[in-house]
Amino acid sequence: GENVEQHPSTLSVQEGDSAVIKCTYSDSASNYFPWYKQELGKGPQLIIDIRSNVGEKKDQRIAVTLNKTAKHFSLHITETQPEDSAVYFCAASISNQFYFGTGTSLTVIP
Amino acid sequence: DGGITQSPKYLFRKEGQNVTLSCEQNLNHDAMYWYRQDPGQGLRLIYYSQIVNDFQKGDIAEGYSVSREKKESFPLTVTSAQKNPTAFYLCASSLTSGRNEQFFGPGTRLTVL
Repeated sequence: GENVEQHPSTLSVQEGDSAVIKCTYSDSASNYFPWYKQELGKGPQLIIDIRSNVGEKKDQRIAVTLNKTAKHFSLHITETQPEDSAVYFCAASISNQFYFGTGTSLTVIP
Repeated sequence: DGGITQSPKYLFRKEGQNVTLSCEQNLNHDAMYWYRQDPGQGLRLIYYSQIVNDFQKGDIAEGYSVSREKKESFPLTVTSAQKNPTAFYLCASSLTSGRNEQFFGPGTRLTVL
């Protein structure tokens, strides 16, 4: 089955700096790659996603890049703010099944 | 107001008791999923259902059971056979065709005493 690895597990950045979280996947058939933000005690919220026919997608301060050849995708957050502090999960999807990374705890230091 | 609801938010049960967690969605999604999340861990799939009256085991189905009698409802029962049931349980749903974004409910924190 699919295996998704996520790095780093923890990340601290100064407010205003950029944060990058990276994920790799194993199954080349995966065709949908969502990113979720989870705040303490809440369910994950979809923040951005990318499909296998696209290399990059941007939504304001958040961007995702996908390299199908290397089987990796990354989340980029620019101009970080304290409210960006949360746990972020990547996932890869095949045939409506979703495989998640182990999460990155992001702390934005004011 | 469309979305996924889970109830209750917090649940306490004595060891040896079965307990059922509710999940309802009004997004007209075909597929529904149950995940378990332990502290500092990722999401592990318990069961999923892609259509009414059909469901499949995920990676950690032992000690759990589900039903899918209605499209909008996918209750999860944590049985006394589950050896370590204390966890945060998340329900999710998605379409099975076209745009298949998966959306999550707010979660239920189950504590077995």
